[in-house]
Parts: sequence; structure tokens; C-alpha cells
Amino acid sequence: RKEVEQDPGPFNVPEGATVAFNCTYSNSASQSFFWYRQDCRKEPKLLMSVYSSGNEDGRFTAQLNRASQYISLLIRDSKLSDSATYLCVVSLNNFNKFYFGSGTKLNVKP
Amino acid sequence: GAVVSQHPSRVICKSGTSVKIECRSLDFQATTMFWYRQFPKQSLMLMATSNEGSKATYEQGVEKDKFLINHASLTLSTLTVTSAHPEDSSFYICSARETVYTEAFFGQGTRLTVV
Repeated sequence: RKEVEQDPGPFNVPEGATVAFNCTYSNSASQSFFWYRQDCRKEPKLLMSVYSSGNEDGRFTAQLNRASQYISLLIRDSKLSDSATYLCVVSLNNFNKFYFGSGTKLNVKP
Repeated sequence: GAVVSQHPSRVICKSGTSVKIECRSLDFQATTMFWYRQFPKQSLMLMATSNEGSKATYEQGVEKDKFLINHASLTLSTLTVTSAHPEDSSFYICSARETVYTEAFFGQGTRLTVV
């Protein structure tokens, strides 16, 4: 079983739409959670960390559900520039290993 | 912000030859560096974790004699793909972090093609 699983998509949405991605993780000992963004043929870049209480950064909201072992990312008012692959990343309590999901592709269309 | 530089960005080599990829942290000292491999439409797969001055820890299924990792200084780690074969063709990415509490930054990646 994979450590981290994501729906690969693609999610095709119009500009201005709200879109949500989920990600499940298998190891209940996981302590740190992140969303990274990866543009085509580029390196991943940290979008936001995910805290137990949930957190918001502008149009982006991340939630963590430990009981069900999933994290979510909500993007409001989608922009064309949001088109990318969103990677769910989970780390065990020593921060030493980052496990990546396969990514969810988002296409925002005019 | 912190920058991790990876070189080369693209390399094409003949089967049987070796290729070295460099990963440098430009404005911080990276106590730990990670090497990943990403095949098309797949997730980043951790290959190994290296701490400065010690031997790298390889993930299960990654051959340490084939993928030589050296982390001789706090700003440089290298990955050498020895006796490369076409199935080694992939996107290799490094990441580096200063401490266990800080963000890991990624290099730009190296696209290796073995012909």
C-alpha cells in the first residue's frame, strides 16, 4: 500500500471556481503534512504546511483529519496561474523522510 | 529565500557510462540532503537521505553501489549514477534542509536520458 494516495485528476475547472483535493495517508504515526505545487518539468515548491487546527493562506485552505487520515486543500476563486500539479506530502515524526503522493493535476480554464 | 542549485539540468549519456549530478545549497548549510527520482506521471520516490559527513541511508530497493551519494560538505551533495542503463532515465531531484525543523528546498532537477 502506498504511503500517500491522491486522485491524479485532472481537475478541469473554469476561472473563479472553487476546487478541493483530498489526500489519504497510511501511517497513523505521521506528524507533518504539506501541500507542494509542481509546475510541468519543474521542481516542487512548498505551497503550505497543514496544521491540526487547519490553516488558511489567502485563497488556499488546508485541513487535516487525523481520525480518517486525510488532508485536504481547498482553492477558492481559481486563477489560470493555479494550473499545476498539487502534491500531498507526509512526514513521520522525525521529519527525516518525506513521502509524496503522485499529485493531482489542476487545469484552470478561461 | 533559500536556494538549492542542481546541475546539470539535462544530461544525455551512453549506456554503461557514469553521470554525476551536483546539488548545492547556496545560502544555507544543509545538514541533510535528499535525493528523489520521478518517473513520468508518478510521484517523487525517495532514493536516499544523506547527512553531511556520514554515509547515505538508502531506501529499500535502491542499489547503493549503483547510485553513489557523497555529502562531503554542508553545501554540496553529489549523486553518481554508475554504469547507467536506459531504465535509469528519469528526473532526479535533490532537496536540502538546514535543520529538522526547517523547510526542505528543492533543486531544479536533472533530466537524465541514457541512450
